[in-house]
Amino acid sequence: AAGVIQSPRHLIKEKRETATLKCYPIPRHDTVYWYQQGPGQDPQFLISFYEKMQSDKGSIPDRFSAQQFSDYHSELNMSSLELGDSALYFCASRSFDRSSLATQYFGPGTRLTVL
Amino acid sequence: GEDVEQSLFLSVREGDSSVINCTYTDSSSTYLYWYKQEPGAGLQLLTYIFSNMDMKQDQRLTVLLNKKDKHLSLRIADTQTGDSAIYFCAPSTWGGKLIFGQGTELSVKP
Repeated sequence: AAGVIQSPRHLIKEKRETATLKCYPIPRHDTVYWYQQGPGQDPQFLISFYEKMQSDKGSIPDRFSAQQFSDYHSELNMSSLELGDSALYFCASRSFDRSSLATQYFGPGTRLTVL
Repeated sequence: GEDVEQSLFLSVREGDSSVINCTYTDSSSTYLYWYKQEPGAGLQLLTYIFSNMDMKQDQRLTVLLNKKDKHLSLRIADTQTGDSAIYFCAPSTWGGKLIFGQGTELSVKP
């Protein structure tokens, strides 16, 4: 079965650089969530999109922005990177179909290292 | 906002049962999930319970929900060394976002 795809899997950047993380949801899933997991931490919700519109916002820094495109893939753009942005970034997708279980399926994550 | 608490560590012997506990604050959580994370890996959905249920059994996994006390537990029967991982409790909130607990590191000794 198709899963959530994230690219790249690993990314190394310098401080103050920019990074773009991509997420391709499971086919026919219309909702995407982004989470950040720092070393030894629990995943923290950043932002979500439903039908290409932002549906909820968590602890996402102003330096980060995200969007969902017409094919439902999503991109997380991170600018002026700081050392503290080093983390594992997860994308999850789900279908908002009322008849289906509201389960989020997670991608493998993108490990971002800021030097 | 929602707060989710778990104990940080649990150590058991192979073949014993493991019980991982979780307390949460948002009584409006509709679904409550358990995820497993192995070192350096992603989040694997283990099981879930709907908020109008008290118990759910899924092979070696049993989830108990005490909605009045906002307490959730995950019991793993016949724990194996391959069960060693971090287990996250994650109630879902309105709109579907998950609020994760700190995770319980389960160590299974042979």
